[in-house]
Amino acid sequence: GAVVSQHPSWVICKSGTSVKIECRSLDFQATTMFWYRQFPKQSLMLMATSNEGSKATYEQGVEKDKFLINHASLTLSTLTVTSAHPEDSSFYICSTAKTSGGAPETQYFGPGTRLLVL
Amino acid sequence: GQQLNQSPQSMFIQEGEDVSMNCTSSSIFNTWLWYKQEPGEGPVLLIALYKAGELTSNGRLTAQFGITRKDSFLNISASIPSDVGIYFCAGPPAGGGSNYKLTFGKGTLLTVNP
Repeated sequence: GAVVSQHPSWVICKSGTSVKIECRSLDFQATTMFWYRQFPKQSLMLMATSNEGSKATYEQGVEKDKFLINHASLTLSTLTVTSAHPEDSSFYICSTAKTSGGAPETQYFGPGTRLLVL
Repeated sequence: GQQLNQSPQSMFIQEGEDVSMNCTSSSIFNTWLWYKQEPGEGPVLLIALYKAGELTSNGRLTAQFGITRKDSFLNISASIPSDVGIYFCAGPPAGGGSNYKLTFGKGTLLTVNP
């Protein structure tokens, strides 16, 4: 497997402020990381693919200027929710893609970050 | 986009019972992944399937990659209270661009009554 951490585990902020969430790959260098959002009782929805050293690729309907992604190193990707509003309250989860021994890649997830915007 | 139909949506069973859940798709998948998510946590990979017809076990869990590559099932034998959680199937659809991108089923909520 792979070990992925996220920080913070939960955050409460006021509407209009920005929040940064960190995702770290602890045991291997991840050229690709993913950011998901999960609303209560729903499945995971991919927001964007984070590529080390290049711009992130955003899914349709996800505002790139609102959800800023930076993947400056092989072990760290950050997601910044800018000018957060209550509708941005959600559970944000990152993952890393890992290939092992020639087997197709799979994804390992972080523990998630609960964001509540008041 | 690609969709995975996962069923049942929820299950309420007695401890010791066996559980079966499945995922189907109208499209072919190259890989089937089964994850478990507990409240407030990220999904944890249970089983990964890479070949059509593949049958893989992980303790009391068994999963199979359907021959048609459009379905997969997960069985849990002799359930215990700690099996409680949401089980998701996921996979990268064949021909869907990057092999990294996963499509998720809507999940099966499992409740085990001690």
